[in-house]
Amino acid sequence: EVQLVESGGGLIQPGGSLRLSCATSGFTVSSNYMSWVRQAPGKGLEWVSVIYSGSSTYYADSVKGRFTISRDNSKNTLYLQMTSVRPEDTAVYYCARGRGGSPLENWGQGTLVIVSS
Amino acid sequence: DIQMTQSPSAMSASVGDRVTITCRASQGISNYLAWFQQKPGKVPKRLIYAASSLQSGVPSRFSGSGSGTDFTLTINSLQPEDFATYYCLQHDSYPLTFGQGTKVEIE
Repeated sequence: EVQLVESGGGLIQPGGSLRLSCATSGFTVSSNYMSWVRQAPGKGLEWVSVIYSGSSTYYADSVKGRFTISRDNSKNTLYLQMTSVRPEDTAVYYCARGRGGSPLENWGQGTLVIVSS
Repeated sequence: DIQMTQSPSAMSASVGDRVTITCRASQGISNYLAWFQQKPGKVPKRLIYAASSLQSGVPSRFSGSGSGTDFTLTINSLQPEDFATYYCLQHDSYPLTFGQGTKVEIE
């Protein structure tokens, strides 16, 4: 069974840093392409970043230069390193698996990040 | 960036109705279009991929169509569990972009 479990969210002050994790099972992270998607309270979905099996990465303009996506193949875990966070980064962050050219097939339950002083 | 415009943004419907939601891309995206359903407080769920392919386990009353710039999600015979917000997503090019969502409410 495919499972994705995010962790690492919490309350953080503007300008701070936080690392989100997405532990996976039932598939191999390194063989799929993995994304982060976020949803601000009461708002729609916003794609954040993706990492391919070959380690190519892409980012939304809103996080480029501040967030870094990575993975640890030995732990089958995806990460999102968030730096210089802003209040507008407040959201539930979901990790999701894509495969075969088709994105966001399986999702985790999400982890809430609140950026506030 | 490719902009995705969904319509309507909200609608009221009754159980048994046929519901149609449209999504228009600001440029051609071939069939690189997916549809998602999200219920309040729940995780988004993919319904349709490649514009018209039904995700395994999704009821056949859901269908998708379109190519290029114009796409449609149709729900035949709306069921109580279908009241939710629906999003389209283009994955033709990065950054991936979602439509703003369509909330389907009970009439």
